[in-house]
Amino acid sequence: KQEVTQIPAALSVPEGENLVLNCSFTDSAIYNLQWFRQDPGKGLTSLLLIQSSQREQTSGRLNASLDKSSGRSTLYIAASQPGDSATYLCAVRNDYKLSFGAGTTVTVRA
Amino acid sequence: EAQVTQNPRYLITVTGKKLTVTCSQNMNHEYMSWYRQDPGLGLRQIYYSMNVEVTDKGDVPEGYKVSRKEKRNFPLILESPSPNQTSLYFCASSPRPYNEQFFGPGTRLTVL
Repeated sequence: KQEVTQIPAALSVPEGENLVLNCSFTDSAIYNLQWFRQDPGKGLTSLLLIQSSQREQTSGRLNASLDKSSGRSTLYIAASQPGDSATYLCAVRNDYKLSFGAGTTVTVRA
Repeated sequence: EAQVTQNPRYLITVTGKKLTVTCSQNMNHEYMSWYRQDPGLGLRQIYYSMNVEVTDKGDVPEGYKVSRKEKRNFPLILESPSPNQTSLYFCASSPRPYNEQFFGPGTRLTVL
């Protein structure tokens, strides 16, 4: 069974600092990995999708890397802003199932 | 607007009273799924559907039923809800299983 871990569970940084969020998974036979953002009381917003054949994916200030063999992905957010405060979830696709980590809650202090 | 909708958004009910949470998508997606989110446990998949009339269990299917009679709709049925099914429920869809997942806004269910 796929196990997905996100460390740290919470992170607080001053505005302007770069954010580094980690995701690890136990079964490396994945099809893809997706990063989401969740705001309190809201649904999930997709940020980036990395296919298993890719090493990284970029969108604006966001960059996600994937090392499938070691079971790790990292989400980098450059020059953080207070609006980046949210919970960030990673999800790993094996077969037809999607397994989620518990998330990292980020607070960006103005 | 392309979206996944869920109804109701909030529901308080009592043990044993059957309920249905509806999910609908307007993107002609084949793949749909249901998740529950609990503090400290993250999101866990309840059921998924590859297409009309094709459904399968996820990691936590006990106590739930689903049906997929139309491509756009994927209702979640709790025939006899219990307090341990109090949770935040999300529906999601994608063109195929391996594509980017689009999530609905969530349904907060409380079973007393």
